[in-house]
Amino acid sequence: EAQVTQNPRYLITVTGKKLTVTCSQNMNHEYMSWYRQDPGLGLRQIYYSMNVEVTDKGDVPEGYKVSRKEKRNFPLILESPSPNQTSLYFCASGTGVMTNYGYTFGSGTRLTVV
Amino acid sequence: SQQGEEDPQALSIQEGENATMNCSYKTSINNLQWYRQNSGRGLVHLILIRSNEREKHSGRLRVTLDTSKKSSSLLITASRAADTASYFCATVPSNDYKLSFGAGTTVTVRA
Repeated sequence: EAQVTQNPRYLITVTGKKLTVTCSQNMNHEYMSWYRQDPGLGLRQIYYSMNVEVTDKGDVPEGYKVSRKEKRNFPLILESPSPNQTSLYFCASGTGVMTNYGYTFGSGTRLTVV
Repeated sequence: SQQGEEDPQALSIQEGENATMNCSYKTSINNLQWYRQNSGRGLVHLILIRSNEREKHSGRLRVTLDTSKKSSSLLITASRAADTASYFCATVPSNDYKLSFGAGTTVTVRA
């Protein structure tokens, strides 16, 4: 089944403890992206990647890191999480901006930083 | 920054009625997409319309695009309880690669 898999689904952590949220897609998509969703703010893009070893900042990149060493994986790293990073996170993938099919989203990771 | 803004923020309709929501955006686009999200779950792509297209249909969905007004509308005909969800428009600018979302419209379909 074509899908984007995020792990974990739920995570509660403490301020300052490094964490990684994994994202993997099995559709050979070139484009991958991370978003955070907060009430009343919709989805805001954190980072995106057009291909392996190519990453760019989105609208809210502060406090996050990403890497794209392989086409299928795009992990989101929080080096020193803070409570304002408590949010619902989504990973998405697609064939790029010329796609006719839109993007495929993962099921989300609900992160709480205390 | 958010590119698209949906209107209204919330919509409540009776089953069988049509639901219309609008999206306005700020800069020139390559394409505009509509997504549905059920209560905290992942987003599901509904339809994509390119900047050189004016109208597109998919099942009970109809999307229009007016690039002169920088606006789009999504019409859901003969709504069902299962259409209860949040609907988001998202745009890809003509000079960039980012897919940017609006804050969404929450649709409630009453049985």
